[in-house]
Amino acid sequence: DAGVTQSPTHLIKTRGQHVTLRCSPISGHKSVSWYQQVLGQGPQFIFQYYEKEERGRGNFPDRFSARQFPNYSSELNVNALLLGDSALYLCASSSDRGRDTEAFFGQGTRLTVV
Amino acid sequence: QKEVEQDPGPLSVPEGAIVSLNCTYSNSAFQYFMWYRQYSRKGPELLMYTYSSGNKEDGRFTAQVDKSSKYISLFIRDSQPSDSATYLCAMREPGGSYIPTFGRGTSLIVHP
Repeated sequence: DAGVTQSPTHLIKTRGQHVTLRCSPISGHKSVSWYQQVLGQGPQFIFQYYEKEERGRGNFPDRFSARQFPNYSSELNVNALLLGDSALYLCASSSDRGRDTEAFFGQGTRLTVV
Repeated sequence: QKEVEQDPGPLSVPEGAIVSLNCTYSNSAFQYFMWYRQYSRKGPELLMYTYSSGNKEDGRFTAQVDKSSKYISLFIRDSQPSDSATYLCAMREPGGSYIPTFGRGTSLIVHP
């Protein structure tokens, strides 16, 4: 059974550009969350979507946006990239049952802004 | 003060040692406690999941929660070089959106 898959795995962008990151959740999981992890820190929550509706939003600027599609996959968009946006972007999926209510992470997308 | 405090290490131990990793927290509403293992340049992997206080054992791993002290621990017995990774604690309140708060992670190095 496939886990959470993210694409691309690595990305280099220039300041001011826009980026779109993609995520496919574990089969049967209806919730997708996005996290930003900078080197030496734990993941910081950005967004959570459940059944295509935003269920939570972290303390990130409006340059960050996301959406969830009918097949529960998700996109994270970041506009007007800054050097400080360089990080590992993690997608996690979960369900509302038992242990699977906890976050299961993908391998991440490493974004470098130059 | 951060909601979840975790010493970043690194913690270096010889193979076969018992490892103790810890986190403290300030939010008394936290009821679910998790430990994730993260290898370099990979996503975190859920290792242990505990509800409320007490101990939980899974193979060489034991998770311990002391809610009265707001303190959680992960013990690794007979540590192996393959255990070398960053260990993240995470915790959350019950119900709602199931969004955990993470510690910054402790880097563990197990040398042969």
